[in-house]
Amino acid sequence: DGGITQSPKYLFRKEGQNVTLSCEQNLNHDAMYWYRQDPGQGLRLIYYSQIVNDFQKGDIAEGYSVSREKKESFPLTVTSAQKNPTAFYLCASSPLLGELFFGEGSRLTVL
Amino acid sequence: DQQVKQNSPSLSVQEGRISILNCDYTNSMFDYFLWYKKYPAEGPTFLISISSIKDKNEDGRFTVFLNKSAKHLSLHIVPSQPGDSAVYFCAASPSGGSNYKLTFGKGTLLTVNP
Repeated sequence: DGGITQSPKYLFRKEGQNVTLSCEQNLNHDAMYWYRQDPGQGLRLIYYSQIVNDFQKGDIAEGYSVSREKKESFPLTVTSAQKNPTAFYLCASSPLLGELFFGEGSRLTVL
Repeated sequence: DQQVKQNSPSLSVQEGRISILNCDYTNSMFDYFLWYKKYPAEGPTFLISISSIKDKNEDGRFTVFLNKSAKHLSLHIVPSQPGDSAVYFCAASPSGGSNYKLTFGKGTLLTVNP
């Protein structure tokens, strides 16, 4: 079945540690995205990529990094520079023009 | 500055009745609007969209209405079913719907009671 797989589903991190969230898609979509959702808030764009080896900052990129070495994969690293990393993270993909398809999300908690 | 506002955090309706979810926007450059539905512990899924050249789009039980002069759109679900219980996000984009330009509202939790 085609879809987007995010892992891990739940992740705990100590302050000062970097963590990487995985996102893989087999929909053959060109574009991939990372969003953050906080309680009572809409989705906010962290980074997006429309082609392999290229990515752009979204609205809240500070403290995050990404890579797009393969079309299918778009991992997100939450660095120690992110001041408030506890949140629900959603990965999505789409054709260049077309609706977003989301993964099930990863919940990161900083202890 | 919230450019897409869903002023009702929650809505409760009886099964079989109409559900109306509202969304207001402030950016006059928005010309493409979408609704996404999200169940707990799942990612959002696309529900329905409308471009600014139309004032209504219908897909089965779901209809989206757009009032450009009022900068307001609404999602109607008729008849509502318990399986429709979810969080509904309104989203808007300028310039033909580029996803990276989407702005999401905070969402409305719809509960449909049997």
